[in-house]
Amino acid sequence: AQKVTQAQTEISVVEKEDVTLDCVYETRDTTYYLFWYKQPPSGELVFLIRRNSFDEQNEISGRYSWNFQKSTSSFNFTITASQVVDSAVYFCALSGDAGKSTFGDGTTLTVKP
Amino acid sequence: GAVVSQHPSWVICKSGTSVKIECRSLDFQATTMFWYRQFPKQSLMLMATSNEGSKATYEQGVEKDKFLINHASLTLSTLTVTSAHPEDSSFYICSAGTRERNTGELFFGEGSRLTVL
Repeated sequence: AQKVTQAQTEISVVEKEDVTLDCVYETRDTTYYLFWYKQPPSGELVFLIRRNSFDEQNEISGRYSWNFQKSTSSFNFTITASQVVDSAVYFCALSGDAGKSTFGDGTTLTVKP
Repeated sequence: GAVVSQHPSWVICKSGTSVKIECRSLDFQATTMFWYRQFPKQSLMLMATSNEGSKATYEQGVEKDKFLINHASLTLSTLTVTSAHPEDSSFYICSAGTRERNTGELFFGEGSRLTVL
């Protein structure tokens, strides 16, 4: 069975602070994909990144960066110089061979001005 | 990128009525579609997996007679909530995948918010 754990339920930071959202996963699949999604108050899921299990390279996209550590089954997400518009619920998700996605419980990020 | 569209984006209905939600893949053929439900301040929970031309596979605890899923074509899957009750009020999201793009990526619809009075 697949499992995704986002231990941080809520995080509150002040604008311009850096913040890291943790994600730990469990799977028996040898090939799998990890995702991060942003869900603003309007509800739609905004795709942020996909990483497959064979690619452990870290990735940076603007103020966003991701650290994939297969040895610790973690896929953490860092926002640098956070902005108020970053306030949202962030979900980490895992998709295995069958294609079904298992989502973590989400981390609610509040960035205060 | 690929686009998945859901309709309606929100619906309010009376208890006991049935509501149909559509999920369309606009620029690719979706061999598999997934339906998720999200209660307020909770995560997305997979309800069922539908493959084009075959019966849907439901997750444990999801009533297949209450949540009817039809995936009659490669671009359309529908979820019908039959005899809806207030406890069915939720945010329903579909996602679609395709064998054409073997990247494991799934494309999510915008979601449909159901409120049952």
